[in-house]
Amino acid sequence: AQSVTQPDIHITVSEGASLELRCNYSYGATPYLFWYVQSPGQGLQLLLKYFSGDTLVQGIKGFEAEFKRSQSSFNLRKPSVHWSDAAEYFCAVDTYGGSQGNLIFGKGTKLSVKP
Amino acid sequence: NAGVTQTPKFQVLKTGQSMTLQCAQDMNHEYMSWYRQDPGMGLRLIHYSVGAGITDQGEVPNGYNVSRSTTEDFPLRLLSAAPSQTSVYFCASTGGENTEAFFGQGTRLTVV
Repeated sequence: AQSVTQPDIHITVSEGASLELRCNYSYGATPYLFWYVQSPGQGLQLLLKYFSGDTLVQGIKGFEAEFKRSQSSFNLRKPSVHWSDAAEYFCAVDTYGGSQGNLIFGKGTKLSVKP
Repeated sequence: NAGVTQTPKFQVLKTGQSMTLQCAQDMNHEYMSWYRQDPGMGLRLIHYSVGAGITDQGEVPNGYNVSRSTTEDFPLRLLSAAPSQTSVYFCASTGGENTEAFFGQGTRLTVV
């Protein structure tokens, strides 16, 4: 069965430090890949997406992610974290190529930012 | 443009009560889905619809019913609420290939 793994449940970084959140998926082909962010009590906001093409994708708020087919990974990065980045981050895959709109989510990584 | 609208935002039910969580989208999207979010579990798919009149089960469908009579609306029904259904529920809609899902703000449901 398809699955998404986010190995880190909780990460704490200092403001201004770099960030990398890990995501691995299990699927035979290349799925559509997404990163969403959720602030406390809020809905999900799309940070970035990968469908095909350039494996390094840029998103909103200075985030980027790199798709590595050989590692089945789609890690999220940010060079310098801001206090407002504290939130929960979810990696998700769509294995139907957008034809059903269903997503498989990882369990999330909660990011805390130290001043 | 409202996007995906969920009502209510909060609800407390007693065990055995029934209720309907409403979801409406104004983007003319074909695909709509319901997820539940539980601590440490991420979001799990309950039911989804690929168009009016067509629905199917997701990963955790037990205890929930859905129907899709119009493109815009996709209500989720709890026929007999149980404490295990205490969760945050999210509705999403997707426009099709090469598009992403848009989420509502969620409904926080507590069953006592």
